[in-house]
Amino acid sequence: KQEVTQIPAALSVPEGENLVLNCSFTDSAIYNLQWFRQDPGKGLTSLLLIQSSQREQTSGRLNASLDKSSGRSTLYIAASQPGDSATYLCAFNDYKLSFGAGTTVTVRA
Amino acid sequence: NAGVTQTPKFQVLKTGQSMTLQCAQDMNHNSMYWYRQDPGMGLRLIYYSASEGTTDKGEVPNGYNVSRLNKREFSLRLESAAPSQTSVYFCASSEANGGPYEQYFGPGTRLTVT
Repeated sequence: KQEVTQIPAALSVPEGENLVLNCSFTDSAIYNLQWFRQDPGKGLTSLLLIQSSQREQTSGRLNASLDKSSGRSTLYIAASQPGDSATYLCAFNDYKLSFGAGTTVTVRA
Repeated sequence: NAGVTQTPKFQVLKTGQSMTLQCAQDMNHNSMYWYRQDPGMGLRLIYYSASEGTTDKGEVPNGYNVSRLNKREFSLRLESAAPSQTSVYFCASSEANGGPYEQYFGPGTRLTVT
């Protein structure tokens, strides 16, 4: 079974700082890696999906990288804003999703 | 285009009662999923349906049944609710033909079993 780990569990940064969120997985025979955002009491919003043949994906201030050899994916959020405060989840996507526990981010104004 | 919708949003049941959670998607996706989210346990797959007419067990299927009513709808039934089934339930869908299988989630159903 694929194990997905996200460290740290929580992160607090001042507004404007770049965010770096880490995700590690045990099985390098990865299909795809999907990043989500979850606001308190809400559903999951898909942010980025990196296919196994790709090394990174970008959307606006978000950039996600995938390094299969080291079993890692990193989500970068540039110039953080208070509206970026949320829980960020990564999930190994081999058609079914295996989730990490998430990193809860607080961006202080 | 509503994406993935779920009903009800909230529900309180007594132990032993039954109920059905409804899910519908309007993205013409082949595959649909049910997950539960619990503090400290993260999101776990209950059941999924790769295509209309098929269903398969996920990681935590005990105490649940599912029905893929048609391509749009996938329901989750609790026959005899237990306090351990108190959770937030999410439905998701994805296009399964050839990948990349990006999943889209509904807003969730918050269920409390007393």
